[in-house]
Amino acid sequence: QSALTQPASVSGSPGQSITISCTGTSSDVGSYNLVSWYQQHPGKAPKLMIYEGSKRPSGVSNRFSGSKSGNTASLTISGLQAEDEADYYCCSYAGSSPWVFGGGTKLTVL
Amino acid sequence: EVQLVQSGAEVKKPGESLKISCKGSGYSFTSYWIGWVRQMPGKGLEWMGIIYPGDSDTRYSPSFQGQVTISADKSISTAYLQWSSLKASDTAMYYCARRGYEGYELDYWGQGTLVTVSS
Repeated sequence: QSALTQPASVSGSPGQSITISCTGTSSDVGSYNLVSWYQQHPGKAPKLMIYEGSKRPSGVSNRFSGSKSGNTASLTISGLQAEDEADYYCCSYAGSSPWVFGGGTKLTVL
Repeated sequence: EVQLVQSGAEVKKPGESLKISCKGSGYSFTSYWIGWVRQMPGKGLEWMGIIYPGDSDTRYSPSFQGQVTISADKSISTAYLQWSSLKASDTAMYYCARRGYEGYELDYWGQGTLVTVSS
């Protein structure tokens, strides 16, 4: 099963908004509204930021939002802050496998 | 407070066996799936497999089927990931994570166990 496709890197200035895309297929992202997004700071464990496409766990800032269109899911971070600089991974339910991760995107806050 | 606490870092030689652990606390361990995720040095996350400690139902990613064994001991709220014969390419950080109760997200993560395989 192939990994979901994410851009290797994105960047933005403090206060700006950025969007990270996550492209899968009709067997994973396109078939289920079960994409989750994880933030990972260097040397730390991943942290759940978005689940079921657009839901935020308790404690996660409302600056983080998720959406989906067809086979592509997206994570948008508004009002960028220095502490948002991290790696971000998408993950989709994929039926029998049943999970597949994206390759990860490094977010740089300029 | 939900916690997943993993065993410490390991340094092994190729061909050796290894079993690492993940102890859950602060929730009903038998009611939530526990997954394992690999992160090779400088690389992304890879889903390895998942187990339901309540009945030991286990699913593996095709990439890891036959390469590792996932198990759990519900009496001590601990999940395991084991290798029978390590390879240098098994060098990585390994995370356990809890799957959400009715969802498919991984809502709590362990701190990770670094496995180094070198002759």
